[in-house]
Amino acid sequence: AQKITQTQPGMFVQEKEAVTLDCTYDTSDQSYGLFWYKQPSSGEMIFLIYQGSYDEQNATEGRYSLNFQKARKSANLVISASQLGDSAMYFCAMREVYNNNDMRFGAGTRLTVKP
Amino acid sequence: NAGVMQNPRHLVRRRGQEARLRCSPMKGHSHVYWYRQLPEEGLKFMVYLQKENIIDESGMPKERFSAEFPKEGPSILRIQQVVRGDSAAYFCASSATLYRSFSGNTIYFGEGSWLTVV
Repeated sequence: AQKITQTQPGMFVQEKEAVTLDCTYDTSDQSYGLFWYKQPSSGEMIFLIYQGSYDEQNATEGRYSLNFQKARKSANLVISASQLGDSAMYFCAMREVYNNNDMRFGAGTRLTVKP
Repeated sequence: NAGVMQNPRHLVRRRGQEARLRCSPMKGHSHVYWYRQLPEEGLKFMVYLQKENIIDESGMPKERFSAEFPKEGPSILRIQQVVRGDSAAYFCASSATLYRSFSGNTIYFGEGSWLTVV
C-alpha cells in the first residue's frame, strides 16, 4: 500500500530565505508520480510541482524545486527566496501508474514565513 | 475554460439530515475522485469513479456514504444521516487519462465543499 510521510507538522522560515519541506514515500511500484500541492488559508489546492519516477533530473518550477532521491524514496520540496505569500499548508502526494490510480496525500506541513 | 466545479461551496446540515455534494469535472474528463479533509489534516482518498462505474471505493465509510457519476450530469457524493464527525472539506478532482501521460496537470482539483454539521 502507498504511504506518504511528512514528518514536519510545522515549519518557520525567514522571508527571503530558502526552506526544505520533507517527504518520504513507500511504494512497490516502479512507475509513479510525485506531487506537491499548496493549500492557502482560502482552502483551494494549488499544484506546485511534479516529478516522475523515471525522470533523471530534479523538477524545477520557478522558486520551487524537488529534491528527488529515488533510492531513499524521498521527494523534498525546496522553496527558495521565501515570500510572505508562501505561508500555507503544503502536501506531498503520490500516484502509482499501474496500481490504484488515485492520488494519496501526506499529512501536510504548515509553513509560516516570518517578515 | 472552466475547471473542476464543486457546489455548494459551503453547506450546513443538522444531525440526521442528508448532504449532497456535486462535482462537475473538467470538460473532457471522465475520471472523478473524491477526497475528504478533516480540520488540520491531509486529504484522505474516498472514492474513484468513471462514468457510471465505481472503480475504487476503498476509502469510503461502509455506511451512510455513497457516490455516483452518471452518464449525464455531475458526480454526486451523498451522505445520509449526517453526524458531527462528517464536518469536513470535501474535494473533488478529475483527470482525463488513466495511465501514463503523467504530469502534474493530469489531475485537477475543485475548490472544495465545506460541510458543517450542527
